Amino acid sequence: DQQVKQNSPSLSVQEGRISILNCDYTNSMFDYFLWYKKYPAEGPTFLISISSIKDKNEDGRFTVFLNKSAKHLSLHIVPSQPGDSAVYFCAAYLTTSGTYKYIFGTGTRLKVLA
Amino acid sequence: DTGVSQNPRHKITKRGQNVTFRCDPISEHNRLYWYRQTLGQGPEFLTYFQNEAQLEKSRLLSDRFSAERPKGSFSTLEIQRTEQGDSAMYLCASSLEVSNYGYTFGSGTRLTVV
Repeated sequence: DQQVKQNSPSLSVQEGRISILNCDYTNSMFDYFLWYKKYPAEGPTFLISISSIKDKNEDGRFTVFLNKSAKHLSLHIVPSQPGDSAVYFCAAYLTTSGTYKYIFGTGTRLKVLA
Repeated sequence: DTGVSQNPRHKITKRGQNVTFRCDPISEHNRLYWYRQTLGQGPEFLTYFQNEAQLEKSRLLSDRFSAERPKGSFSTLEIQRTEQGDSAMYLCASSLEVSNYGYTFGSGTRLTVV
């Protein structure tokens, strides 16, 4: 049972344009969400997070939006840069579980074209 | 302290052999996690430690797998009698007990069982 889903395995965007990566989850108990970026041969790197008490969190070029009723979150990158080309994973967890065990999606490979 | 360190980076082993991986977390982090990532999938939780106590194990962690974290510092993950299905990237991560900034992952150990 895939509790966190990223239905687009890949996305190509022109440099300077907006990249929108999507993520859906099935467990309405999840109350914290994160995005990680992964380059080849490296471990995932934390990018941005959002608590379920918010619907938006912004950090520079990166904004995460959360729609709890739709159980959907998205990551917006504006403007996209070639260095953003990587695999992006969304993750979710339940803060009250105590373990901080993340459930990851399958990832979306973003390619930013120069 | 430059982050989470994992050794070796790559391991090729014959089916049936035992392998051991090591993870050195960020020194002040009391939580340590092991995840496994296979091709086309996101990282999957295996187990986690708070200090030296192993507090949760996934059903993915069969009895051929054992993890330790003596003295709450580095951790080892041992796989006995390896099978081809064990081929994956094994990721270690660490965090403070409460963190809104996600885990810090190491670069992983890629295991290939031939």
